[in-house]
Amino acid sequence: SQTIHQWPATLVQPVGSPLSLECTVEGTSNPNLYWYRQAAGRGLQLLFYSVGIGQISSEVPQNLSASRPQDRQFILSSKKLLLSDSGFYLCAWIPPWGTGADNEQFFGPGTRLTVL
Amino acid sequence: GENVEQHPSTLSVQEGDSAVIKCTYSDSASNYFPWYKQELGKRPQLIIDIRSNVGEKKDQRIAVTLNKTAKHFSLHITETQPEDSAVYFCAARGLTGGGNKLTFGTGTQLKVEL
Repeated sequence: SQTIHQWPATLVQPVGSPLSLECTVEGTSNPNLYWYRQAAGRGLQLLFYSVGIGQISSEVPQNLSASRPQDRQFILSSKKLLLSDSGFYLCAWIPPWGTGADNEQFFGPGTRLTVL
Repeated sequence: GENVEQHPSTLSVQEGDSAVIKCTYSDSASNYFPWYKQELGKRPQLIIDIRSNVGEKKDQRIAVTLNKTAKHFSLHITETQPEDSAVYFCAARGLTGGGNKLTFGTGTQLKVEL
């Protein structure tokens, strides 16, 4: 069966510090991968998505970046965090086309980031 | 791109009553409409979905209806229980923009009162 992991689970960082969040998927290959941010009490904002290794699409301008160095690994980074970067960061994946479940999107457990 | 509107933003019902959450979408080519339930501090969980070739789908106390002509879809929860209290998100998958992306509604905070 497929599983999705995110780490760390929680993170407290000072303003101006760097950030690296990691997401990995097991039990599948060539998934679509997504990074979302959820501010407290708010909806789901799509930040980046990737349809393959090295392929990154950005949805909103910001001081964050994403990379996909391996098929099942998706990384969210920042060189200098802002207070407004605080939130709940969720990674999500969709099975590859043709698997019969290629519409269903599943979320990882999330990383709660607090920038002070 | 796709735009999804969701109403109401908050909904309070008595235990045992029904709850209905409604969403509209803008892209007539959208073909997949999932619903997610998010409990406090946890990840959104897929609870039911419907594809554009189906008008209604039911799973125990949960049902979803889709009206393609009017471009709206609804979540129906019958015999509500306290554990149904959560934030519910609707979403739609359009065919423009690539990436197989979901566009989410803004969420409905459902509170089931004893």
